[in-house]
Amino acid sequence: DAGVIQSPRHEVTEMGQEVTLRCKPISGHDYLFWYRQTMMRGLELLIYFNNNVPIDDSGMPEDRFSAKMPNASFSTLKIQPSEPRDSAVYFCASSPKRSTEAFFGQGTRLTVV
Amino acid sequence: ILNVEQSPQSLHVQEGDSTNFTCSFPSSNFYALHWYRWETAKSPEALFVMTLNGDEKKKGRISATLNTKEGYSYLYIKGSQPEDSATYLCAFPIYNQGGKLIFGQGTELSVKP
Repeated sequence: DAGVIQSPRHEVTEMGQEVTLRCKPISGHDYLFWYRQTMMRGLELLIYFNNNVPIDDSGMPEDRFSAKMPNASFSTLKIQPSEPRDSAVYFCASSPKRSTEAFFGQGTRLTVV
Repeated sequence: ILNVEQSPQSLHVQEGDSTNFTCSFPSSNFYALHWYRWETAKSPEALFVMTLNGDEKKKGRISATLNTKEGYSYLYIKGSQPEDSATYLCAFPIYNQGGKLIFGQGTELSVKP
């Protein structure tokens, strides 16, 4: 398996634009997590899915953020409209079972100008 | 609020030095503790998943111990090498919340040749 695949690797966008980040988890993994890394807060969990169903989105900062998982092999994190303070590295991770190790994608570095 | 704390925040050592750092986590409702290594410009990779009190795990020159009763884990690196330079993260999965990981802020290790 190629591991968790995220796209794009880098995204630069203007404030107010819609941004969509994509993730393909490892096949067979039941859990998918979206994390955001910032200098101030470190790695913080935004939302996670179990068997494609969103379980906990309490970490999503605002209504501008939304995430979907239409099938077991694809998830998106959307920010609309984007703001400069959304600039961060966004990681997707998957794990095969509850509380087992998480496998991270390479991350998407988002810059909103 | 669950808190996972790591110390020190950063560490600078010379090649060949042995080093260790600490992760403190809630001792109640313990299920597991994860250690990850995060190299610059890469994604976090799991080092150890520890579940048993008193457990000690080893991978090459890196080892970790676990005390679930008092809520701490130590990570040791014997004879540090420049390639050990990375941020070392511990993470505490919350079992009844899908195993979502609460990460510490990490210890940034720099090994000078």
